[in-house]
Amino acid sequence: NAGVMQNPRHLVRRRGQEARLRCSPMKGHSHVYWYRQLPEEGLKFMVYLQKENIIDESGMPKERFSAEFPKEGPSILRIQQVVRGDSAAYFCASSPRDRGANEQFFGPGTRLTVL
Amino acid sequence: AQSVTQPDIHITVSEGASLELRCNYSYGATPYLFWYVQSPGQGLQLLLKYFSGDTLVQGIKGFEAEFKRSQSSFNLRKPSVHWSDAAEYFCAVGALPGSSNDYKLSFGAGTTVTVRA
Repeated sequence: NAGVMQNPRHLVRRRGQEARLRCSPMKGHSHVYWYRQLPEEGLKFMVYLQKENIIDESGMPKERFSAEFPKEGPSILRIQQVVRGDSAAYFCASSPRDRGANEQFFGPGTRLTVL
Repeated sequence: AQSVTQPDIHITVSEGASLELRCNYSYGATPYLFWYVQSPGQGLQLLLKYFSGDTLVQGIKGFEAEFKRSQSSFNLRKPSVHWSDAAEYFCAVGALPGSSNDYKLSFGAGTTVTVRA
C-alpha cells in the first residue's frame, strides 16, 4: 500500500507565476490536510478537505491560495501570483476518517522556491 | 492558542550514545502529544503519541518519551543511537480525539539529529 504521494517534490517558480501542488492520499483515505512549513518554523495547518468539500480552511491565506479535492484525482493546492514569501515546504497528510489527529499519514512534501 | 517549542535546532551525537530531544508545549486543555520523524526524502512518520495513562510512553524504533505536566514538556529519548536515526524530529500537539478541531496539529520547528561514527 503506497503512502501519501506528493508531486512535484521540488518546484521553482518566478514571482507572479502560479504553483500547483498535488497530493494523492493513501488508498482508502478520503480526508486530506495541507500544512505549510516556512523556513525555521514548524508545520502550520492550512486546510482540511474531504472529497468535493472544504471542511476547514482557517489556516489558508485569504488571497491567492485555494485548495480542492475532487471526486476523482488528487488534491490540489493552488497558489496564484506567487511571491517570495510563499517559498516553503508544503506537506499533505491523509486519514481514513474525519476524526483523528492520530490517524494522519504524511507525504514527503513539496519544496516551493520562488525566485 | 496552542504552540510547541523545540529549543534545539541541531544536535550531533555519537553512534551508541544516548539521545534526548526537548519539547515544550503550550495548550489550554488536555493535550494530545506526538513525536514524528522525517528521514531525508521521506514523509513524516509517527514515532509515538500520548494523552493519558503512564507518563512514559514507548514508541517505534526504540524511542520513548516522558510527559511532565508540571514542566509542560514531552521529551523524546533513545538509550543508544544508530546511524539510521539521523533525521529531523518534530514534536506536535493537538486536541483529544473527538474534540472539535482534533485534526489540527501544531508542530515545533524540528530538531535535526546528526549521528557521527
